[in-house]
Amino acid sequence: GQSLEQPSEVTAVEGAIVQINCTYQTSGFYGLSWYQQHDGGAPTFLSYNALDGLEETGRFSSFLSRSDSYGYLLLQELQMKDSASYFCAPYNQGGKLIFGQGTELSVKP
Amino acid sequence: DAGVIQSPRHEVTEMGQEVTLRCKPISGHNSLFWYRQTMMRGLELLIYFNNNVPIDDSGMPEDRFSAKMPNASFSTLKIQPSEPRDSAVYFCASSLVRGAGELFFGEGSRLTVL
Repeated sequence: GQSLEQPSEVTAVEGAIVQINCTYQTSGFYGLSWYQQHDGGAPTFLSYNALDGLEETGRFSSFLSRSDSYGYLLLQELQMKDSASYFCAPYNQGGKLIFGQGTELSVKP
Repeated sequence: DAGVIQSPRHEVTEMGQEVTLRCKPISGHNSLFWYRQTMMRGLELLIYFNNNVPIDDSGMPEDRFSAKMPNASFSTLKIQPSEPRDSAVYFCASSLVRGAGELFFGEGSRLTVL
């Protein structure tokens, strides 16, 4: 079967670092994507990990451990505009991308 | 590039009516996805197409839902008859097949069934 777990809510202050964890179970796993969605908007692509290790894109980094079926998104130097929902999405054979409930990040001043 | 275009952006209808949502993917993309988003269930995959062919429709909730992709530049999601529990935001997304997990989403169609 398929399962996906990430925290429902995370709160942090401006300038801080926050890590959003994700554990997944899916067949035919290829890689793990991360998406950001602001209230009322469309999800937008942040990153994709096909291999184990850390991928860095500016203030955001994403990590994958295939053996542990685990990944995380690391957001550094938090800004108010980072308040949004964040989704991890396993990408599998055939190009299927599964989302879950997402993590709502609130950044406080 | 215009991005993924969805219509209508908002639809309010009465229970029992037919609803048709439309999507134009990004030119050159050959995978198209329909998702539904609600507070309770998050972002659910309903169906996806590769090269206009439906690959997996296991997420379609029931026979009242149907989706078509008659050509590479157009897809529809139809609900007939609609019910209040179908109220949600419906997103269409497109990508390249094997596109490294990067989907491009439209702005969504917000459906309210009274």
